[in-house]
Amino acid sequence: SAVISQKPSRDICQRGTSLTIQCQVDSQVTMMFWYRQQPGQSLTLIATANQGSEATYESGFVIDKFPISRPNLTFSTLTVSNMSPEDSSIYLCSCAPEYGYTFGSGTRLTVV
Amino acid sequence: GESVGLHLPTLSVQEGDNSIINCAYSNSASDYFIWYKQESGKGPQFIIDIRSNMDKRQGQRVTVLLNKTVKHLSLQIAATQPGDSAVYFCAETYGGTSYGKLTFGQGTILTVHP
Repeated sequence: SAVISQKPSRDICQRGTSLTIQCQVDSQVTMMFWYRQQPGQSLTLIATANQGSEATYESGFVIDKFPISRPNLTFSTLTVSNMSPEDSSIYLCSCAPEYGYTFGSGTRLTVV
Repeated sequence: GESVGLHLPTLSVQEGDNSIINCAYSNSASDYFIWYKQESGKGPQFIIDIRSNMDKRQGQRVTVLLNKTVKHLSLQIAATQPGDSAVYFCAETYGGTSYGKLTFGQGTILTVHP
């Protein structure tokens, strides 16, 4: 399976600021995804990061709040913009399908 | 939509017992299912998968059963060990425009007592 590295692993941010999370895969993959895991809950898909085109967002998530980049087949970023305490979650990057459905270790974000 | 403030179901077992974790999935069109294990501070780790043309698949100490009639998955862990303590999630996906996207179940907290 592919190995996914995410940075930062955790951060504490002030409300109103933005944080960019990086996701690096050790192999070229067709599809990359971003998920959110709110405290004590399951994972919810935010968007599909498409190489060479705009990300595709799931219901309830918008580009202005969660802009995504996918400059090549091994890298993507997710920005959490204008943060509020409700954005405190674990954000996870995933890839599929060539190497299975693999996840990074996540970014634990706390907004104060 | 998302629900706020839910507590995950829990399962407590003694070391050496067999564990069964259940999951009801939502989409009858789903054709691929995965079980993940998530330890504290880590991302989900793949355990075992099954396609909709199968009803059972076995791995090392784990077995997944699929009942498409009632849209139900189960994960059986044999001879459960303290290292199996974690949160377990089922996930489903299907092809077409949703290819590659996973929908996760709510998760179950497994605690194994020595």
